[in-house]
Amino acid sequence: DTGVSQNPRHKITKRGQNVTFRCDPISEHNRLYWYRQTLGQGPEFLTYFQNEAQLEKSRLLSDRFSAERPKGSFSTLEIQRTEQGDSAMYLCASSLEVQTVAKNIQYFGAGTRLSVL
Amino acid sequence: ILNVEQSPQSLHVQEGDSTNFTCSFPSSNFYALHWYRWETAKSPEALFVMTLNGDEKKKGRISATLNTKEGYSYLYIKGSQPEDSATYLCAFPNTGNQFYFGTGTSLTVIP
Repeated sequence: DTGVSQNPRHKITKRGQNVTFRCDPISEHNRLYWYRQTLGQGPEFLTYFQNEAQLEKSRLLSDRFSAERPKGSFSTLEIQRTEQGDSAMYLCASSLEVQTVAKNIQYFGAGTRLSVL
Repeated sequence: ILNVEQSPQSLHVQEGDSTNFTCSFPSSNFYALHWYRWETAKSPEALFVMTLNGDEKKKGRISATLNTKEGYSYLYIKGSQPEDSATYLCAFPNTGNQFYFGTGTSLTVIP
């Protein structure tokens, strides 16, 4: 399967712990996005990479969240000192730069569901 | 933060019925409008990327129209089947890079 892969699929943690999620995009895709989705809401944009450069970051993203894409391939999203409000589905998507970002189809992974107890 | 609204929030239809739902978005600074289908326990899947006012796109029994001047898009499903049951999301990119999703329309097709 050459789709977008996310690990782990589920993560349960205690409040105050740090967690890290991984996203492996489709291999030739140079653009990578992270989203968060809570119950009853649509996916909320968190951040966007073009190759290894983090070009956009939501103002809603607290300092406890950090994302990296060190070699322009896989990406990690780390949440430090987790809070119960961080419980959500974290989605990763990738796209190929063929035209402007707005027109690029995004291919999503199945997400990582985080539960903070 | 942009306001992207979808209606209705949920919909139950009988197999064979046709249905439609709406995505409303800001009519200024339009770049594109995306539709995605998200089945339970699967990844969201792209249906359409619409870029021009008056666009109409079709994929099997599903079609979509776009009105950028008034800021809405309709998604139509003709002859709904149980496998069409999913949440349908629209997404509106601002300045091209940040995508704002609606809350989705949850469709259940009853056999």
